[in-house]
Amino acid sequence: GQNIDQPTEMTATEGAIVQINCTYQTSGFNGLFWYQQHAGEAPTFLSYNVLDGLEEKGRFSSFLSRSKGYSYLLLKELQMKDSASYLCAVCYGGATNKLIFGTGTLLAVQP
Amino acid sequence: DGGITQSPKYLFRKEGQNVTLSCEQNLNHDAMYWYRQDPGQGLRLIYYSQIVNDFQKGDIAEGYSVSREKKESFPLTVTSAQKNPTAFYLCASTKNRGSYTGELFFGEGSRLTVL
Repeated sequence: GQNIDQPTEMTATEGAIVQINCTYQTSGFNGLFWYQQHAGEAPTFLSYNVLDGLEEKGRFSSFLSRSKGYSYLLLKELQMKDSASYLCAVCYGGATNKLIFGTGTLLAVQP
Repeated sequence: DGGITQSPKYLFRKEGQNVTLSCEQNLNHDAMYWYRQDPGQGLRLIYYSQIVNDFQKGDIAEGYSVSREKKESFPLTVTSAQKNPTAFYLCASTKNRGSYTGELFFGEGSRLTVL
């Protein structure tokens, strides 16, 4: 079956750097997404990786290693507003193009 | 501003009642999706539609029904056959039909509680 693993919770300090890991096992791979979701709100798109390597977008970066089935989201210069759940989602299945979400990592940023 | 509007935001239902959740988008997107979110679980796909008058079952379609009579609208009905309907429901859309190579745009969600 298809599977995504990410830590359930993480805590970090304002101004610091935090790395949220995501590992996956899927039948084929078409791309990996990271979304941010504040409590009771809609998920919002952060990044999309389809090739190996690091994609940087401001304070947020996302890394992908397809051979290892591994990705991470790196958040720099943490702010209190970064306290949210971070969802990893993998697009797989070749032409059928399906999407599976991880359970999300709840990040708490402390002063 | 373009976006996806879900209503109602909160809904209470008695057991045995059907309820319909509204989802409207003005992004001119072809594909629309309904997800269910429960604590400790990832988003799970209920139904999706890639084109008007056509829709497909997702992973957990039992007890739900949808329609896609207009490109902008994709309402979800939670029927009395759904055994555990209390959840947070999210509607989403993508620009290209059947493609996840573009980001999903989500609505604000509807929280359904069955009393």
